[in-house]
Amino acid sequence: GAVVSQHPSRVICKSGTSVKIECRSLDFQATTMFWYRQFPKQSLMLMATSNEGSKATYEQGVEKDKFLINHASLTLSTLTVTSAHPEDSSFYICSGTSGALGGDEQFFGPGTRLTVL
Amino acid sequence: EDQVTQSPEALRLQEGESSSLNCSYTVSGLRGLFWYRQDPGKGPEFLFTLYSAGEEKEKERLKATLTKKESFLHITAPKPEDSATYLCAVQSLYGGSQGNLIFGKGTKLSVKP
Repeated sequence: GAVVSQHPSRVICKSGTSVKIECRSLDFQATTMFWYRQFPKQSLMLMATSNEGSKATYEQGVEKDKFLINHASLTLSTLTVTSAHPEDSSFYICSGTSGALGGDEQFFGPGTRLTVL
Repeated sequence: EDQVTQSPEALRLQEGESSSLNCSYTVSGLRGLFWYRQDPGKGPEFLFTLYSAGEEKEKERLKATLTKKESFLHITAPKPEDSATYLCAVQSLYGGSQGNLIFGKGTKLSVKP
């Protein structure tokens, strides 16, 4: 149980284009979803937190107009990187949590490797 | 400032050689401490949650323990398939974002046959 999927797993795009990443909870309803970014040999850094039907809460230093987050349902959240630049190249990982699962654990997706040329 | 420090950064073991990974933390009220395993190019896989000092949890060859300042992940008789990066994260009672996890940089474990 507690499976999270992400699509695509890998994407290469040109500078200036937008990229959408989907995150789905497959066997539970994720009341809260989180988006992280991970650079090589670094910690996971939280970008934003979203609750279904509400606006996302962004961490300090994360541009909300550049990283658009939509938590449309209890099983789907999307992250759109707008006007991507090479410095946005990173590993993006989503996670979900649900009080119904009995704890505070976050269950992570497999990640999306974004490369901006 | 809430902070998590993991040591060592990298650990090489022979198959069957038991050892421990350390996670030191400072947090303004601990809600929970979490251990995850991350394989290269993959998302973290949940292992354990610990909530209070003195708590211990086990899963196969792994055992996690918690004190007021640190947590240990003990690996008994490791196998090559235990090779991965092990991440520690804490959740504060007073964190700004709901359920926010603060991660350490991880310990990269390599187990040689």
